[in-house]
Amino acid sequence: EVQLVESGGGLVKPGGSLRLSCVASGFNFNNAWMSWVRQAPGKGLEWVGRAKSKAAGGTIEYDAPVKGRFIISRDDSKNTVYLQMNSLKTEDTALYYCTADHRDGYFIYWGQGALVTVSS
Amino acid sequence: EIVLTQSPATLSLSPGERATLSCRASQSLNTYLAWYQHKPGQAPRPLIFDAFDRATGVPARFSGSGSGTDFTLIISSLEPDDFAVYYCQQRSSWPLTFGQGTKLEIK
Repeated sequence: EVQLVESGGGLVKPGGSLRLSCVASGFNFNNAWMSWVRQAPGKGLEWVGRAKSKAAGGTIEYDAPVKGRFIISRDDSKNTVYLQMNSLKTEDTALYYCTADHRDGYFIYWGQGALVTVSS
Repeated sequence: EIVLTQSPATLSLSPGERATLSCRASQSLNTYLAWYQHKPGQAPRPLIFDAFDRATGVPARFSGSGSGTDFTLIISSLEPDDFAVYYCQQRSSWPLTFGQGTKLEIK
């Protein structure tokens, strides 16, 4: 059974940092491209960024609103992908989903999400 | 950035009826479009990849069509479990983007 389990969410003040983790099981993590997708309260889904597999060059990509503030990394020995969020803004408040990519750009497996609230 | 516009924003139908959801792209996607179903408190569920390929385990009442800039998701006969928010998403070009969603509600 495929599982993606996020952890590390919580309440943080504007300008603060938080790191999310996502542990994967049930599929070949080493070959998977892993993405983070978020959903702000009352809003739709927004792609945050992704980490390609080492076989695909290990490239990390970010969407514009988070580039320079968020860092995605992966540890294939632990089947884990991370989202380090720095210089957080109130507009980063969202439920953050960990996903595994399919066909290089769709999202086939999803975690249940980690809630991040940025508020003073 | 490719903008995806979904219509209608809300669709009110009864079980047994046919649902037609639309997704229009600001530029051509070829067929690089997916559809997802999202219910409150749950993770989004993939339904359709590459415009018309049903994901594993998705019932045949869900079908996708279209290419270029205009795409459609059809649910042929609505069941109570189908009432949710539906998103389209493109992988044609970076960054990956989603539509704003169509809420399918019970009439």
